[in-house]
This record gives sequence, C-alpha cells and structure tokens, in this order.
Amino acid sequence: DADVTQTPRNRITKTGKRIMLECSQTKGHDRMYWYRQDPGLGLRLIYYSFDVKDINKGEISDGYSVSRQAQAKFSLSLESAIPNQTALYFCATSEDRVPSTDTQYFGPGTRLTVL
Amino acid sequence: AQSVAQPEDQVNVAEGNPLTVKCTYSVSGNPYLFWYVQYPNRGLQFLLKYITGDNLVKGSYGFEAEFNKSQTSFHLKKPSALVSDSALYFCAVNTGGFKTIFGAGTRLFVKA
Repeated sequence: DADVTQTPRNRITKTGKRIMLECSQTKGHDRMYWYRQDPGLGLRLIYYSFDVKDINKGEISDGYSVSRQAQAKFSLSLESAIPNQTALYFCATSEDRVPSTDTQYFGPGTRLTVL
Repeated sequence: AQSVAQPEDQVNVAEGNPLTVKCTYSVSGNPYLFWYVQYPNRGLQFLLKYITGDNLVKGSYGFEAEFNKSQTSFHLKKPSALVSDSALYFCAVNTGGFKTIFGAGTRLFVKA
C-alpha cells in the first residue's frame, strides 16, 4: 500500500551495529505498529503506538526500541543488532475506531540481514 | 493461550477450480477474524473480516470466508481460482484490544 512507506527496503548489517528502520504514512491514522515476519511463524508484534504520546511493547520487544516522531512517522531501532534479528519487518497502521476490529494497512516491508 | 492455526503450509489448485485455505482458532471471548494476502515483495493486504452478523463474509477479489463457531474455523474460499491468486495468505484473530494474532501463513499456488 503506497500510503504506508518503509525505508530502507533492504539492509545488510553486522552484529553489534545500530540500525533504524523508518515508517511513514499518509493515511492520517493515529495507530501504528511494528511487526516482524519469520518463515513459519507468521507476524509477531514488536511495538505499537496509539498516538504520538503513547507507545506500548508488543510480544517481542526485547532488543528493540521505537520512536513516534509525529503522527505520520514511527521508527524502529535495533540498538545492537544480532543475527537472530534477521527477518522481514513490517510497519502497519489502523483506523481510529475499535482497535479489535480495525483493518490494518501494511507497508511493503524491510528485509534486514544481520551478519 | 490464544492461537490461530493454518494447518496447510501450501495449497495447490488448478486454475478454474475452487480453492479453500483453512484456518482454525482457539480464543477466549468473541473472535474477530481477518484474512490478509501477501504478494511477493509487498506488504499484507486486507481481504475480508468477520466481526458479527452473517457467518458468510464476502471480500475483495471474489474471496469469501465462512465463520463456523462450533468448529472454531474461518476458512477462506473462492469458487474459481486464478493464477494471479497465487500468494501467501494469513488468517488473523483479535479478541479485543490492540493485539492481533496472525497464523503462520499458507502459500497458495494456482497452476494454469
């Protein structure tokens, strides 16, 4: 969905390096999410944000941090990357109604490889 | 623990034949169920969702899904498959709040 963009699309880095993945959206949604996708495991939630002032940990937040710079921007950081963080990372947004029934809109993903 | 199962890693079907991608769930409380599709090098795209009401839900691209509470299933179906339907399909469930649980995905391969 072109309304949700992610940069970079691909990144190869080394163990111990700090990495930032960026997400921008033009949908005007307050809610934003970061997921990682691993083969055979589906998507797992890393962090989510209700609005600029509200950030929450998901099920696998260890080793990650986030920043919500504005309504439209939500960044994911790996402070010290490790090989098992190699995965496909997705940003998503959702409409501002009932969160449990909201449709989520996904960016194209960032493929991160940690050597 | 709440979970979503997609019992088939891959489904193969010939173009023009009906297709079914299976999903079962285990949750406490009322389930809100979703199907998303992922094409190569793309993010997930919403197909359809069940919130309440009619158990048969119609969605994008001719897909539909039937909510079966007694069997705790939400199988995705299409009467006539297209080669362009080949993709990775994810079932997901939410029971309230901000956490949506995704299945592991089923790869659909439609042969011409």
